Amino acid sequence: EPEVTQTPSHQVTQMGQEVILRCVPISNHLYFYWYRQILGQKVEFLVSFYNNEISEKSEIFDDQFSVERPDGSNFTLKIRSTKLEDSAMYFCASTGTGGPDGEQFFGPGTRLTVL
Amino acid sequence: RKEVEQDPGPFNVPEGATVAFNCTYSNSASQSFFWYRQDCRKEPKLLMSVYSSGNEDGRFTAQLNRASQYISLLIRDSKLSDSATYLCVVKSWNRDDKIIFGKGTRLHILP
Repeated sequence: EPEVTQTPSHQVTQMGQEVILRCVPISNHLYFYWYRQILGQKVEFLVSFYNNEISEKSEIFDDQFSVERPDGSNFTLKIRSTKLEDSAMYFCASTGTGGPDGEQFFGPGTRLTVL
Repeated sequence: RKEVEQDPGPFNVPEGATVAFNCTYSNSASQSFFWYRQDCRKEPKLLMSVYSSGNEDGRFTAQLNRASQYISLLIRDSKLSDSATYLCVVKSWNRDDKIIFGKGTRLHILP
C-alpha cells in the first residue's frame, strides 16, 4: 500500500540552526501539507501546497518557514533559525484526486528537538 | 469560544459497550468535517468523513448538527483496538481557509 514517508524520524538541533525536514508524498497525489504537534497538544496546520505553490498557510508559518518541492517527489519544510518552541512532531500529509477535501494520508512524522 | 472543542476524556469504557463523543466548532462557515484517530506517538489516520445526512461505517456512526454546530462519533460494540485519541477536524472554505484539529478525546477500552 502506498504511504507517505518522512526523514529523519528524529532530528536534534541547536537553537538558531537551520533544519530541513523531508517528506515523500504518495506518488500520484497533488496536494501536500505540513502540520506540527507539540507534545501533549493538538495537531496544528502549518501550510498547504498545490501546483508548485503555497495555497494557504497559518499564522504559525512565518518567515522562518519555507516549503519546496525540489524534484517532483520530495516535499521539504525548512526552518531557517530554529527556536526552542519549534520542538515538536512535524507531520507531512498528502491528498490525491479527492482534492483538499479528500482523505489526507499522514507520514509517520519527524520529531524535532531544539536544544 | 475555542474554534474546535472536544472533551479530552479519558473515556474508560468496557469492551463491548457503546461510547459517543461530541465536538463543537465555532465557525458557522465551516464546510467539511472529519474524525481521525491517533494512536500514541503515531500519525493521525482518517476514520471517517462526516456528511450532512450522517454516515455509518461498520460500528462507527458520525453525525453533523449544523444548527448547534457540533459533530458526533458513536462507536458500537467497542473493541480493545478502538483505544486511541479521536480527533475532530474542521475545514472552512472561506477567505481564511484553514484546517483546524481539535485536541482530541482519549478513549480507553477496558477488557
